[in-house]
Amino acid sequence: SQQGEEDPQALSIQEGENATMNCSYKTSINNLQWYRQNSGRGLVHLILIRSNEREKHSGRLRVTLDTSKKSSSLLITASRAADTASYFCATGARYGNKLVFGAGTILRVKS
Amino acid sequence: DTAVSQTPKYLVTQMGNDKSIKCEQNLGHDTMYWYKQDSKKFLKIMFSYNNKELIINETVPNRFSPKSPDKAHLNLHINSLELGDSAVYFCASTDRDGTNEKLFFGSGTQLSVL
Repeated sequence: SQQGEEDPQALSIQEGENATMNCSYKTSINNLQWYRQNSGRGLVHLILIRSNEREKHSGRLRVTLDTSKKSSSLLITASRAADTASYFCATGARYGNKLVFGAGTILRVKS
Repeated sequence: DTAVSQTPKYLVTQMGNDKSIKCEQNLGHDTMYWYKQDSKKFLKIMFSYNNKELIINETVPNRFSPKSPDKAHLNLHINSLELGDSAVYFCASTDRDGTNEKLFFGSGTQLSVL
């Protein structure tokens, strides 16, 4: 079964608001990554957090990782219309050599 | 300049035909992948090559055959296309073995089988 599952499936917010997306997974991981996909485009890497890290920041992005709960969250602060996209979490297993992607959260930021 | 480029971007074909998708990366990466994204945006790994050697082969019909002539190229050939093969196929690359590094994706090939 799929490793990562995002929640919510879809999110619609106003420009300027914060957006929070969650990801849950099932097995031990080495790292967890978040990607963005604009409509009709390929995925773009946003941030990687390792299993021994709890929080990471990159610009307006904040990622947390709770390995005891097997979950992660992506927070986008002060959202912009350009943040409208699908967001995917992907987990790198402790053993093995592939990233497994969740089903994604569709974020719509209204201006 | 494009880091991971795949062609064609769109592919419309009839059931039963054979088609190929090509992928090239100029990042000097060792590992390349093919992912399939279905209509619900679900992204699933199909194959992975490391330095021209197949290292991941998920449960994919043997009508799909990847080929890596060198570590910068990974092509995907599909025989006897079926309606269910319609999807967007993404090529990706990463350095080393991939689990600890980010993936760089191509822009996708939208395959429509009629």
